[in-house]
Amino acid sequence: AQKVTQAQTEISVVEKEDVTLDCVYETRDTTYYLFWYKQPPSGELVFLIRRNSFDEQNEISGRYSWNFQKSTSSFNFTITASQVVDSAVYFCALSEVGYSTLTFGKGTMLLVSP
Amino acid sequence: SQTIHQWPATLVQPVGSPLSLECTVEGTSNPNLYWYRQAAGRGLQLLFYSVGIGQISSEVPQNLSASRPQDRQFILSSKKLLLSDSGFYLCAWDLGTGHGYTFGSGTRLTVV
Repeated sequence: AQKVTQAQTEISVVEKEDVTLDCVYETRDTTYYLFWYKQPPSGELVFLIRRNSFDEQNEISGRYSWNFQKSTSSFNFTITASQVVDSAVYFCALSEVGYSTLTFGKGTMLLVSP
Repeated sequence: SQTIHQWPATLVQPVGSPLSLECTVEGTSNPNLYWYRQAAGRGLQLLFYSVGIGQISSEVPQNLSASRPQDRQFILSSKKLLLSDSGFYLCAWDLGTGHGYTFGSGTRLTVV
């Protein structure tokens, strides 16, 4: 069975601090996909990144970076030099081949104060 | 480009009243469609998904139903709302495993 765990319920940082959001997943498949979504206060979930299980290269997009490690079943998300606009709930999700649906973690609320 | 429309944005309904939330997708064909609910506790609960017209899978038995009368239209309904139906309802679509969802802007439902 697939499972996604985001152990951090809420994180508070001060602007310009770096912050890492943890995501640990469980799956029996060798082929799967991992995702991160951002949910700002407005409510709409915004897609951030997709990673397939055969691509362990870390990715950087501006202040965002993702560290995918199959050995520890983790797909962590780091925001460098956080900004107030980064305040949101962040969801990690897993999709197995053959399943139509995503399995979401419970989300991590990030509060960035000025 | 593909877009997803969900309405209304906000809804306040009395207990026992019916519900109809609509979601439409433009710019693609034969999408998978999903309804999620997010209660105050923040987690996302999958309610229904559909891989084609008239094909509905229910994840959680409850007071709600879903229909897909057209390829790109997904409707969430209830005959009689309960207080526990309050929440934030999100529609989403994708084109299959690995593509990831695109979400609508959501409907905030308050049952009073």
